[in-house]
Amino acid sequence: ELKVEQNPLFLSMQEGKNYTIYCNYSTTSDRLYWYRQDPGKSLESLFVLLSNGAVKQEGRLMASLDTKARLSTLHITAAVHDLSATYFCLAGDAGNNRKLIWGLGTSLAVNP
Amino acid sequence: DTGVSQDPRHKITKRGQNVTFRCDPISEHNRLYWYRQTLGQGPEFLTYFQNEAQLEKSRLLSDRFSAERPKGSFSTLEIQRTEQGDSAMYLCASSFPGSYNEQFFGPGTRLTVL
Repeated sequence: ELKVEQNPLFLSMQEGKNYTIYCNYSTTSDRLYWYRQDPGKSLESLFVLLSNGAVKQEGRLMASLDTKARLSTLHITAAVHDLSATYFCLAGDAGNNRKLIWGLGTSLAVNP
Repeated sequence: DTGVSQDPRHKITKRGQNVTFRCDPISEHNRLYWYRQTLGQGPEFLTYFQNEAQLEKSRLLSDRFSAERPKGSFSTLEIQRTEQGDSAMYLCASSFPGSYNEQFFGPGTRLTVL
């Protein structure tokens, strides 16, 4: 059964600092997603990663995928307050095109 | 098309009343999903449609919950005899198979049961 673990679950960081959120998944997955959710708001798709070694960047966020290690990372560079949100990692079940398994989310607070 | 829309955005009801929510997906998306999210938790899958067919339902979806997508376009989620534990954000998402099933979410309907 596919399971997804994110860590840390809570992250408080200073503006200007770098940090990485980790997402481990337990069995074979053929796609990995990162979503952002602002408090009280809906979810925004950030990245879709499909292959080993895939790296995608958008502004201060960079996501990567290592399928051999079953690990995806979301790296934050020079954090700014606007990045404060909850970030979810989702893994697609390779045996079920429809099924996505959610991580618990990482609640990020960027402080001045 | 500006994305997935949901209506209403907020609903306050008394325990025991029935409520219905609507979701309009992105027009070319044939897959539609309903999720429920409570404060501090991630979204919980409720049900999934491909076109008009409801292909999967979570065990979370008790007999009081029913969802339809009669023409394969918009969908409705009805909760009968609401309970306080039904208070949550109800999220709808849609996807297109060719897009690696990337799901696009609506703004959600926040339900408060008094």
